[in-house]
Amino acid sequence: GESVGLHLPTLSVQEGDNSIINCAYSNSASDYFIWYKQESGKGPQFIIDIRSNMDKRQGQRVTVLLNKTVKHLSLQIAATQPGDSAVYFCAEEKGGATNKLIFGTGTLLAVQP
Amino acid sequence: GAGVSQSPSNKVTEKGKDVELRCDPISGHTALYWYRQSLGQGLEFLIYFQGNSAPDKSGLPSDRFSAERTGGSVSTLTIQRTQQEDSAVYLCASSFNVNAFFGQGTRLTVV
Repeated sequence: GESVGLHLPTLSVQEGDNSIINCAYSNSASDYFIWYKQESGKGPQFIIDIRSNMDKRQGQRVTVLLNKTVKHLSLQIAATQPGDSAVYFCAEEKGGATNKLIFGTGTLLAVQP
Repeated sequence: GAGVSQSPSNKVTEKGKDVELRCDPISGHTALYWYRQSLGQGLEFLIYFQGNSAPDKSGLPSDRFSAERTGGSVSTLTIQRTQQEDSAVYLCASSFNVNAFFGQGTRLTVV
């Protein structure tokens, strides 16, 4: 089902360490995935995306890995900074004609100074 | 403006009253979503509009909730006979292809 009112799991990391946030998606036919970052008091914002014909994509300090065999997506953040503290959501395109995005439950990343 | 605009940013209402929340999507975006987010929780899908297709209303929690999108642009989410459990941030997002752009949300408090 779609993400509904679940308390967020939390990942706590030390400043400067690398962070890995994981996401399991549900639809093997999904062909497009996005990671969003939601800072306190704001709406989620796009970080990075990946299509199903890729297994890795890199951005600035962020890398997304896609494992279609086990339907797993991860977001790696290098040298985590206090400004990375936020809730991170993965989203998959449901497929078909609607282009509808399905969001995961989210992970709260807490960066310790 | 260039982004998704939601109004009001904050709304306090008495239990039992009706409220309307407004979303102005990015111009040209054919898809529009409404989500609800309680404090410390994830995104709860409410409704999805895509072009002229029938909206996906599968996330609306009760018949007190309804939404419309006029002229393929502005959308209004209406909550009738509000209850305290309706208190949350209501987020709107719009998209042209897949990537969704979110507004800042409307914080609804039912007292």
